[in-house]
Amino acid sequence: GAGVSQSPSNKVTEKGKDVELRCDPISGHTALYWYRQSLGQGLEFLIYFQGNSAPDKSGLPSDRFSAERTGGSVSTLTIQRTQQEDSAVYLCASSLTSASGYEQYFGPGTRLTVT
Amino acid sequence: AQSVTQPDIHITVSEGASLELRCNYSYGATPYLFWYVQSPGQGLQLLLKYFSGDTLVQGIKGFEAEFKRSQSSFNLRKPSVHWSDAAEYFCAVVNQAGTALIFGKGTTLSVSS
Repeated sequence: GAGVSQSPSNKVTEKGKDVELRCDPISGHTALYWYRQSLGQGLEFLIYFQGNSAPDKSGLPSDRFSAERTGGSVSTLTIQRTQQEDSAVYLCASSLTSASGYEQYFGPGTRLTVT
Repeated sequence: AQSVTQPDIHITVSEGASLELRCNYSYGATPYLFWYVQSPGQGLQLLLKYFSGDTLVQGIKGFEAEFKRSQSSFNLRKPSVHWSDAAEYFCAVVNQAGTALIFGKGTTLSVSS
């Protein structure tokens, strides 16, 4: 079946602009996660959704970052007033339910470059 | 705080030779452990997982890993490496809240002919 999809695959934006990154999880997966992968920091957790609610937002680096999930499916990660340090690959993952008992399946990522 | 350590940043192995990638974790209870592989420009692919039971787990592509509680380790092995195995490998553990994966920094595997 279809895996996790993300769009766009690449995004170049100017410093100070807002960007939206989209994630379509595997159908039927109730848990959804956003991670960020950068050269200096490795893979970092950003936010976890169970259904439409986000019980764990502890990884969001600043209040410029927000995410929502609608209909228990698609999720959007929004970065406001982008900074150069936001340049990274943003990965989305989904799992059947919570992380403890089920493996996470990752999308191909969105490469964000802030100029 | 929980953490995952992959001591080797880069390893080069000859094609056909055996491979072992090291992973150590810090976690008080029984961990849920994973190995993922990432080829250049690709997302993360799950190789194998350990939740409970048999401490030697088999995965895809001929990989296996052994959970050793006494050493807090979950090392990845393959008896004979193929050139297509060249990639970056990440070890991960589920956090205590059960809401996220904590990843190691990764080990880049190069395969020489």
